[in-house]
Amino acid sequence: AQSVTQLDSHVSVSEGTPVLLRCNYSSSYSPSLFWYVQHPNKGLQLLLKYTSAATLVKGINGFEAEFKKSETSFHLTKPSAHMSDAAEYFCVVSLSGYSTLTFGKGTMLLVSP
Amino acid sequence: ETGVTQSPTHLIKTRGQQVTLRCSSQSGHNTVSWYQQALGQGPQFIFQYYREEENGRGNFPPRFSGLQFPNYSSELNVNALELDDSALYLCASSLAAGWGANEQFFGPGTRLTVL
Repeated sequence: AQSVTQLDSHVSVSEGTPVLLRCNYSSSYSPSLFWYVQHPNKGLQLLLKYTSAATLVKGINGFEAEFKKSETSFHLTKPSAHMSDAAEYFCVVSLSGYSTLTFGKGTMLLVSP
Repeated sequence: ETGVTQSPTHLIKTRGQQVTLRCSSQSGHNTVSWYQQALGQGPQFIFQYYREEENGRGNFPPRFSGLQFPNYSSELNVNALELDDSALYLCASSLAAGWGANEQFFGPGTRLTVL
């Protein structure tokens, strides 16, 4: 079985400051890990994915995440927040080779001017 | 390339009624998954269809059922609606089951309200 824990339900940052959204995972086998973003009234959009290649994964819109097996973490970062980054972010785990996704409860990112 | 589309966008039903939600998968995709997203929660996996056969199911009762058609579009049916079924229902398509298949492309969802 696999699961993800998003450590913060809400994160508030000022525009131009760094973003850190934390995620820990649990998986019996080699996992695939994803971050999805959900803007209000829009579908989920894939930001980035880790599938056992490079541990530092670069995604769209300047986001990146680092897979740390020893810490079972997959935190999402961005050096400088934009107002348009305000949305809900989901950390997701899947067993490699299977297509069922297990979502965390989400972290709402709030960006103030 | 056409993305994943869902219909209707919003729906209001009363307890005990039945509902059908529809999803058209992205062009070239043969696998469709359905998720339920309750308010303030992450999406939860309902079931998946691959080439018209159910290919996995989450922890949902049998009154949640589905179909996939030869063109890979899909329906989610819910019978005997309960208040707790109120949620955003998301459809996602992917290229195939198995390795590399877990990148899923999501539709905008159908917001179901049960009164």
